[in-house]
Amino acid sequence: DAMVIQNPRYQVTQFGKPVTLSCSQTLNHNVMYWYQQKSSQAPKLLFHYYDKDFNNEADTPDNFQSRRPNTSFCFLDIRSPGLGDAAMYLCATSSPQFLNEKLFFGSGTQLSVL
Amino acid sequence: QQQVKQSPQSLIVQKGGISIINCAYENTAFDYFPWYQQFPGKGPALLIAIRPDVSEKKEGRFTISFNKSAKQFSLHIMDSQPGDSATYFCAAGNTDKLIFGTGTRLQVFP
Repeated sequence: DAMVIQNPRYQVTQFGKPVTLSCSQTLNHNVMYWYQQKSSQAPKLLFHYYDKDFNNEADTPDNFQSRRPNTSFCFLDIRSPGLGDAAMYLCATSSPQFLNEKLFFGSGTQLSVL
Repeated sequence: QQQVKQSPQSLIVQKGGISIINCAYENTAFDYFPWYQQFPGKGPALLIAIRPDVSEKKEGRFTISFNKSAKQFSLHIMDSQPGDSATYFCAAGNTDKLIFGTGTRLQVFP
């Protein structure tokens, strides 16, 4: 089945220690998104890629970076995680004719910061 | 102009009953209104969506009602089942942006 896969499912890091979350997709979608979802809150868009074009949301902290080496993979790097960065991180994809529509989400990575 | 307000925060419904979740948006430039369903430990999954050129869309037991003048839309789940127990997010947006509501936790009891 075509899908969006996120690894790891759970990630524990220490305050200030860089961490990388990964996302892969078999849908061959051009657009990939990273969302942050804190407990009992709405998913919040951090940034998205349209092919190799990176689009950062204005209020995304500089602490969050992303890489997309190819169509299938996308990484979220948190350079110096703070306690406030503990959240579920969701990767999603869509095809370009459905930008911001028909999003396919992965199961997420739950990040804990100690 | 970028908020999507969703209510109620939680909802308890008996099996067979009707679940109703409401959302309101502010930005009149939005032209796409989806509902996502999220089970614990999973990512959201698109359930149903509507565009403002129609006032209602039905897919099986799920119906979206849309009121363009009031800038409101709602999800109705008919004959609610325990398997519908999940968190439901409305969203509003266009090709520039998609804003999610804060979610409604639905519990359906047998």
